[in-house]
Amino acid sequence: TQLLEQSPQFLSIQEGENLTVYCNSSSVFSSLQWYRQEPGEGPVLLVTVVTGGEVKKLKRLTFQFGDARKDSSLHITAAQPGDTGLYLCAGFEYNTDKLIFGTGTRLQVFP
Amino acid sequence: DTAVSQTPKYLVTQMGNDKSIKCEQNLGHDTMYWYKQDSKKFLKIMFSYNNKELIINETVPNRFSPKSPDKAHLNLHINSLELGDSAVYFCASSDLLELFFGEGSRLTVL
Repeated sequence: TQLLEQSPQFLSIQEGENLTVYCNSSSVFSSLQWYRQEPGEGPVLLVTVVTGGEVKKLKRLTFQFGDARKDSSLHITAAQPGDTGLYLCAGFEYNTDKLIFGTGTRLQVFP
Repeated sequence: DTAVSQTPKYLVTQMGNDKSIKCEQNLGHDTMYWYKQDSKKFLKIMFSYNNKELIINETVPNRFSPKSPDKAHLNLHINSLELGDSAVYFCASSDLLELFFGEGSRLTVL
């Protein structure tokens, strides 16, 4: 099973700051997704990126899939307390279509 | 209407006991999963079923036995519970584009 490492593991910032979360692997994925999980709930899909180099924007969130389809980043502009949560990247393995989750980044945004 | 519902939400039990977690989805999806999330929040796939048939079994101990009576249900039975089984177990269903998760079942083994 392929491994997806996320960094940083924890992030505490003030409202209004920008941040970037990284998701890296030595393996290639057919597509990659980002989920957000809040306490006591299951993860919820934010975005899917499919093409190498693809950039998708969701309001203040910008997602990028690496050219080689081995890595991805999530950039949040002007973070707000409502962005607080656990961010998980997840990649679809080529041969099995298994969705493998990353190690997670816990984001806390203080007002 | 909850799309993916799991019961119970909390389960506290003694080592050695047997317990079950039920999952139902009303999204009409063919594929359902069980994931385990440990204390470090790492989410690891355990099983995947497609239309009642097992397609992924991720080297989970034999004490864990999933059962899918129909494509809308995927239950998880755990025999002889161990301390290390304490975790949050998530059921999910998929349309192959996105996973829809339940709220999770927090299992604590004492």
